[in-house]
Amino acid sequence: DVKVTQSSRYLVKRTGEKVFLECVQDMDHENMFWYRQDPGLGLRLIYFSYDVKMKEKGDIPEGYSVSREKKERFSLILESASTNQTSMYLCASSPSRDRVYQPQHFGDGTRLSIL
Amino acid sequence: AQTVTQSQPEMSVQEAETVTLSCTYDTSESDYYLFWYKQPPSRQMILVIRQEAYKQQNATENRFSVNFQKAAKSFSLKISDSQLGDAAMYFCAYRSYDNYGQNFVFGPGTRLSVLP
Repeated sequence: DVKVTQSSRYLVKRTGEKVFLECVQDMDHENMFWYRQDPGLGLRLIYFSYDVKMKEKGDIPEGYSVSREKKERFSLILESASTNQTSMYLCASSPSRDRVYQPQHFGDGTRLSIL
Repeated sequence: AQTVTQSQPEMSVQEAETVTLSCTYDTSESDYYLFWYKQPPSRQMILVIRQEAYKQQNATENRFSVNFQKAAKSFSLKISDSQLGDAAMYFCAYRSYDNYGQNFVFGPGTRLSVLP
């Protein structure tokens, strides 16, 4: 089975801190995604990456950046955390477009609180 | 841009009964995939069922089945013989072939409660 591992289940940080959320997948998937999940809003795409060092902005990239130095690892960075970034963050991976019938596989999520 | 709508924020069902969760979507594409995901209270999102748009036959996975109406852009999920373990958030999702197949769009979710 595909395993997507997020480094923390719960994280508490302070306003203005630089925050790193890490995600690792073990199935050699080309695509990796970071979502933000808020009640009533579903999942909103922050960034995705379709290859090493490649990234594309999603629907809500402001205040975030990403890094993909290795195929299996995709990091989300909050450059200067703010209270409105308190949320659940989900990482996902999927194979490339030639297997578009394949779903995304998700990690357990990180509940991030910014105080 | 594609959108996915789930008009029922919350639903409840009696154990062993059947419940249907609604999903509609908006797209101008003819080829795409649709998915239902389940997110139990433990939070990991898992795939429940998928449907290819070019297939007219409705997908079925054990107690889960879909009613796919392509012309109406409707993709509802039916859960038969509901069990306590079915209690979760359910998300409808759309995936297109565009943009390297990266385009997943999720609905806002429906919270399903199962009553004993």
